Parts: sequence; C-alpha cells; structure tokens
Amino acid sequence: DGGITQSPKYLFRKEGQNVTLSCEQNLNHDAMYWYRQDPGQGLRLIYYSQIVNDFQKGDIAEGYSVSREKKESFPLTVTSAQKNPTAFYLCASTGQGNSPLHFGNGTRLTVT
Amino acid sequence: DAKTTQPPSMDCAEGRAANLPCNHSTISGNEYVYWYRQIHSQGPQYIIHGLKNNETNEMASLIITEDRKSSTLILPHATLRDTAVYYCIVRAINYGQNFVFGPGTRLSVLP
Repeated sequence: DGGITQSPKYLFRKEGQNVTLSCEQNLNHDAMYWYRQDPGQGLRLIYYSQIVNDFQKGDIAEGYSVSREKKESFPLTVTSAQKNPTAFYLCASTGQGNSPLHFGNGTRLTVT
Repeated sequence: DAKTTQPPSMDCAEGRAANLPCNHSTISGNEYVYWYRQIHSQGPQYIIHGLKNNETNEMASLIITEDRKSSTLILPHATLRDTAVYYCIVRAINYGQNFVFGPGTRLSVLP
C-alpha cells in the first residue's frame, strides 16, 4: 500500500549529538513537509520541499537541516544547535492541486 | 498564524452526532477547508475537504456556510474511537501555500 514511512518510531540521543530522522513516501508526491509537535500543542512547520533539490524554511527551522536528493525521501537532521530537540516529529507529503496532506506515524525523539 | 478558530474542547455522547464548528471568516475564494484528526501519539489523519459545496464521505460530512466564513464537521454516530483532536485548516492550492495547524478541538466521546 502507498504511504509515508518514518523511522524509527522512538529515538534516544545524548545532548550534543546530531541525529537524522528518516521519511520515505511511495505516493509519488512532489511536496514533502516536516512538522514538530510538543505535548499538548499543535503542529509547527520546520521545513518543506516542493520539488527535488529544493527546500524552504518553515516557522521553526533554526537548529534543523534537510535534504531532498530524491523525490521519495526527505530526511531531517536535528543538530546540536537545536536547543530543545525533544519532541514528536511528523513527516507529511501532498500531491498537486487541492490534494490533502498525508502524514507518517511520527518519530518521538528524546534527547538527554 | 492559523486562519481558523475552533473551540478548545467538546464532549459528545456515544452514538450521537458530533458537530465540530470552525470559523474561517477571512477565507479567500481559492482556499479549501480541510479537516484532520489526531489520536494521541499518532500522525494526523485526513478526514475530508471542500471548497464551497457540502461534502460527505465514509467518515464524516462537511457543511460549509454559503458565505464560506464557517464550516461544521459532522461525525454522524460518534464512537469512543472518535475521541481525538480535530483540526480545521484553510489552504489555497497556489504554489507555496502550506497547511497551518492551530490547536484544534479536543473531542471527547463519552459512554
């Protein structure tokens, strides 16, 4: 079945380490997104990409980096510069026109 | 900032219809209304979307007022599994328009 796969589901890291979260989609969608969610809060946009080899900062891009070398993949790196990296990270994609956003099941990152 | 306003929480009795309101008084002519829900610790699930006509699918119905300044998501027979946070979003299909999520409405379906 088509969908978005995020891995791993849970991730633990020590403070000061960079960590990369995986996001793969087989929906043939052009646009991909990364959101962050903190407990009891809504979703905040980190980065998005409308096309391969191009991406834009969202509202809270500081301390994060992304790449879009393939249409299917949009990995997110949480760098040591991100001051509060512990959060629930959600990847999403959408097709053309008024297509809805489809989400993966998220990665819960804990940094201690 | 989100372009929509929703009540922070609502209760509904199991088996009854759940009517979730959303205000989007500044909606533009090319903006669609989308509804999602999120169960704890899962990714948001797409429910339904529409432009100006009422829409219905296997999950819910979307009623958009004639002036398009508000809409209502209707779950016709709510079950305990419908307990979730429901998000109403408006988005144009223009290149670069993103989905902006507000805090949503926490719906509790009570037995």
